[in-house]
Amino acid sequence: GAGVSQSPSNKVTEKGKDVELRCDPISGHTALYWYRQSLGQGLEFLIYFQGNSAPDKSGLPSDRFSAERTGGSVSTLTIQRTQQEDSAVYLCASKGFKNTGELFFGEGSRLTVL
Amino acid sequence: RKEVEQDPGPFNVPEGATVAFNCTYSNSASQSFFWYRQDCRKEPKLLMSVYSSGNEDGRFTAQLNRASQYISLLIRDSKLSDSATYLCVVKGGSGNTGKLIFGQGTTLQVKP
Repeated sequence: GAGVSQSPSNKVTEKGKDVELRCDPISGHTALYWYRQSLGQGLEFLIYFQGNSAPDKSGLPSDRFSAERTGGSVSTLTIQRTQQEDSAVYLCASKGFKNTGELFFGEGSRLTVL
Repeated sequence: RKEVEQDPGPFNVPEGATVAFNCTYSNSASQSFFWYRQDCRKEPKLLMSVYSSGNEDGRFTAQLNRASQYISLLIRDSKLSDSATYLCVVKGGSGNTGKLIFGQGTTLQVKP
């Protein structure tokens, strides 16, 4: 499709398990962002990739969280040893090269940690 | 202190009302500003950019006050379809300028 694609759309896991969330951005978009949104809350910035530059990881809440972007396209967000407080919707967004603030979001991956 | 702060509301207004939301940001080096809209259980979408001189898009007016570090959104003649959460977004600052920081959002409910 033409939009940002995220998978899985829903993930239920047990505390302590590792999870991987995938984001496939819009083709040609150079910037990719990960946010998480807890119920009734705003978007919390996690990490930002821009082209081949080093990612801005300043929003990752702990060292259990990591993300990579292979080949400047698909990105994977990995959460190790999940905790109940990790339960949230994880949103990925991409942005083209134009200097605007328009992010195109995927529908998110809803993570529930039991 | 959060980098971007908004009154979460909710703001409950009748159809046809004028409603205004404010947002403050902490980083004086921030460069660009936006309002996004998020419908319930949907992803956020860009509503409008905010320019220094102020800008208007139909019933929506956005303004920026750099000295006081706040941004506003005015909605005139509210429609039922305006019911949503409005997110203030700030881009840039010292260091990496590509990061976009979202406020927690202000919820608007327009009643018939």
